[in-house]
Amino acid sequence: EAEVAQSPRYKITEKSQAVAFWCDPISGHATLYWYRQILGQGPELLVQFQDESVVDDSQLPKDRFSAERLKGVDSTLKIQPAELGDSAMYLCASRPDPGTGSYEQYFGPGTRLTVT
Amino acid sequence: GENVEQHPSTLSVQEGDSAVIKCTYSDSASNYFPWYKQELGKGPQLIIDIRSNVGEKKDQRIAVTLNKTAKHFSLHITETQPEDSAVYFCAAPGSPFGNEKLTFGTGTRLTIIP
Repeated sequence: EAEVAQSPRYKITEKSQAVAFWCDPISGHATLYWYRQILGQGPELLVQFQDESVVDDSQLPKDRFSAERLKGVDSTLKIQPAELGDSAMYLCASRPDPGTGSYEQYFGPGTRLTVT
Repeated sequence: GENVEQHPSTLSVQEGDSAVIKCTYSDSASNYFPWYKQELGKGPQLIIDIRSNVGEKKDQRIAVTLNKTAKHFSLHITETQPEDSAVYFCAAPGSPFGNEKLTFGTGTRLTIIP
């Protein structure tokens, strides 16, 4: 069964350093999401892509966060500089074409970031 | 935007008993309501969803009910088993289209007591 891949699974970094996360969605899924999940809370959307275009980044802290999906396939989320409050799980999800009738978002295993 | 509230935050149930988790939403335009299960160290996984044109949907031991007038929906798990222990999240899109962004509840940690 196809899965969303994310790497690394765990990342420890010092504050003020740069960090990057990678996501490879399920093949053929044009819509890709990055979520942040703080311990004990639900996922919160950071950015949504449709192919290579950003559809929604209203909740992305643009002064330090950036996201790209250059060829409309895999995606990278970057934080520079990292702050202590960025410690969280970063989840990537993808969704099939709406024409399939499915709204299901498929999540990857996440990257757990700890900022020290 | 959409606001989703979820209760309870923790729930302990004897194995074999039923568990019920409730969510309310604010945006009457929402028409798609998924429930996700998240096990330790994993990403959330969809277990059941319902669209606004039906009031109830069942899948074996899991069922979801929807009351659009009251803007609430519930997850029902019957004959609970140890493998049902996990964190469960409800969500709503805040729009008539499920392909929009989802707003998640704060989660319910379900513990099945053997």
